Amino acid sequence: DQQVKQNSPSLSVQEGRISILNCDYTNSMFDYFLWYKKYPAEGPTFLISISSIKDKNEDGRFTVFLNKSAKHLSLHIVPSQPGDSAVYFCAAVNSGNTPLVFGKGTRLSVIA
Amino acid sequence: DGGITQSPKYLFRKEGQNVTLSCEQNLNHDAMYWYRQDPGQGLRLIYYSQIVNDFQKGDIAEGYSVSREKKESFPLTVTSAQKNPTAFYLCASTRGGSSSGNTIYFGEGSWLTVV
Repeated sequence: DQQVKQNSPSLSVQEGRISILNCDYTNSMFDYFLWYKKYPAEGPTFLISISSIKDKNEDGRFTVFLNKSAKHLSLHIVPSQPGDSAVYFCAAVNSGNTPLVFGKGTRLSVIA
Repeated sequence: DGGITQSPKYLFRKEGQNVTLSCEQNLNHDAMYWYRQDPGQGLRLIYYSQIVNDFQKGDIAEGYSVSREKKESFPLTVTSAQKNPTAFYLCASTRGGSSSGNTIYFGEGSWLTVV
């Protein structure tokens, strides 16, 4: 039973446009959410996070939005660049010493 | 430079053999984790350890074993009991648990192929 779902396995966006990656979760105890970016044959790198007490967090071209009532979060990348092409993982955790739970990832392709 | 080092990067195993993947971190992190990545499966947790000499099973622990004798080291053994071991393995660590503010950091990964 997946607690963190990324329902779009892939997404293609033109360079300069906005990329929107979506993530849904089922566990209402999750209170911290993270996005990771992963290139093939490399470890994931941390991108941006958001606490459940916020509904938006912004870092440069990356913004994460959290809708707690819908148990939904999204990552916006604007403007998208070819170097953004990678697999993006959504992850969630509840407070305390529990491991992150990851979604299956969305492969983003930014086309020049 | 501080970080997480996994070795080897590529490993071939014959069926029936046990192999051990190394994970070392010099970040002084308390918690360490092993994940497995398969195509279309995302990252699945194998084992994790929050303190030395203690570890817990994750979602797919069968066929794997770990030890945590030192804070900086968390080796993973893929035993012959693991029916489908070919995958990309990722080690990670975090200062405390992976709760708010303790971002988890990953190693570069190890490819294991059964031949």
